[in-house]
Amino acid sequence: QKEVEQNSGPLSVPEGAIASLNCTYSDRGSQSFFWYRQYSGKSPELIMFIYSNGDKEDGRFTAQLNKASQYVSLLIRDSQPSDSATYLCAGPISGGYNKLIFGAGTRLAVHP
Amino acid sequence: NAGVTQTPKFQVLKTGQSMTLQCAQDMNHNSMYWYRQDPGMGLRLIYYSASEGTTDKGEVPNGYNVSRLNKREFSLRLESAAPSQTSVYFCASSSPGDEQYFGPGTRLTVT
Repeated sequence: QKEVEQNSGPLSVPEGAIASLNCTYSDRGSQSFFWYRQYSGKSPELIMFIYSNGDKEDGRFTAQLNKASQYVSLLIRDSQPSDSATYLCAGPISGGYNKLIFGAGTRLAVHP
Repeated sequence: NAGVTQTPKFQVLKTGQSMTLQCAQDMNHNSMYWYRQDPGMGLRLIYYSASEGTTDKGEVPNGYNVSRLNKREFSLRLESAAPSQTSVYFCASSSPGDEQYFGPGTRLTVT
């Protein structure tokens, strides 16, 4: 059973701090990963997509992928209360793109 | 451009009743998906359709059936609802290799 695992949290950080969200995966064949943000009662929306080793930056968000360690992370710089949400990590099943397996999500709380 | 739409938004069923959840997308995506989301469990894939005319099982298909009616529409049917199927159901669509776009969800309670 291929898995994607995340710490459920909650992860509590003060406003302006860096929030670090982590995800590990079991399928060595996975080539790409997605980070989705989900506000309470809403549907998931894509934050970042990463498919190569190293870092990918988009504004205040940085995704990091380490294929050797089977580890993917999301850093949120200058965290804002509006970043408070559940963050879902997802990777493709069987190394393909069409089906994703999601982690259980990490709940982030940014307090003023 | 409505994206992915789902009906109904809320539904309460009694055990043994049947119902169909409807999903439609207007983004010309080939692939469509049905997920369920339970507290602490993340999203679990029920069924997906890689293209019009094809469907395949995901992680948790038991108790469900699907129909890919055309490129736009993908429905999920519960033939005999059980309390274990109480969940939030999300439909999603994508182009191959691209991000999945999610509908607003259906909150289903089975009593």
